[in-house]
Amino acid sequence: SYVLTQPPSVSVAPGQTARITCGGNNIGSKSVHWYQQKPGQAPVLVVYDDSDRPSGIPERFSGSNSGNTATLTISRVEAGDEADYYCQVWDSSSFWVFGGGTKLTVL
Amino acid sequence: QVQLVQSGAEVKKPGSSVKVSCKASGGTFSSYAISWVRQAPGQGLEWMGGIIPIFGTANYAQKFQGRVTITADESTSTAYMELSSLRSEDTAVYYCARVRKMATIRDAFDIWGQGTMVTVSS
Repeated sequence: SYVLTQPPSVSVAPGQTARITCGGNNIGSKSVHWYQQKPGQAPVLVVYDDSDRPSGIPERFSGSNSGNTATLTISRVEAGDEADYYCQVWDSSSFWVFGGGTKLTVL
Repeated sequence: QVQLVQSGAEVKKPGSSVKVSCKASGGTFSSYAISWVRQAPGQGLEWMGGIIPIFGTANYAQKFQGRVTITADESTSTAYMELSSLRSEDTAVYYCARVRKMATIRDAFDIWGQGTMVTVSS
């Protein structure tokens, strides 16, 4: 089965840039989606198809994907960005796969 | 704007079954895939399966094959997820989620239900 690996936690000061990685075998050949989840709430899609943003998501959220690593980048981090972030891909044998999640802490 | 509204919290005994509903309002239902995702307390997201109502056939994660049944009722714009042979490890919040594009299950989930807490306890 296909496995996605995320760091358990990332910490960043307000105004700085946070980068959250998602590792997988040849993940660059797949479309990666990213979700933000705040405590007690349902996930929210923040980036789809590697680097596209749904309407209403700030331009501070961006994504990239190449080789064995996809990255969610959050520029000019704000306190309100503190949340868990999950990557997701479709795999032909496993269907939908989520990464384990990364807790973003704003210092 | 499409909304997904799920049924309320459930408390079940081990070995029993639970059926959670997900009603869509405000838009087209039949042509968009609905997936079910669960989240155990303090844990990550786990995809269970999905269905495109107009096609009627569901896909399931291997882990849940034989224990989960996902159906959809086009007349009421409602999707259902039934999980049987419940055990304590099935205690989780269960979400339904709809994809962005019609007629494919292979797309990001842009609309989520509010979640349904299922507690399995003797």
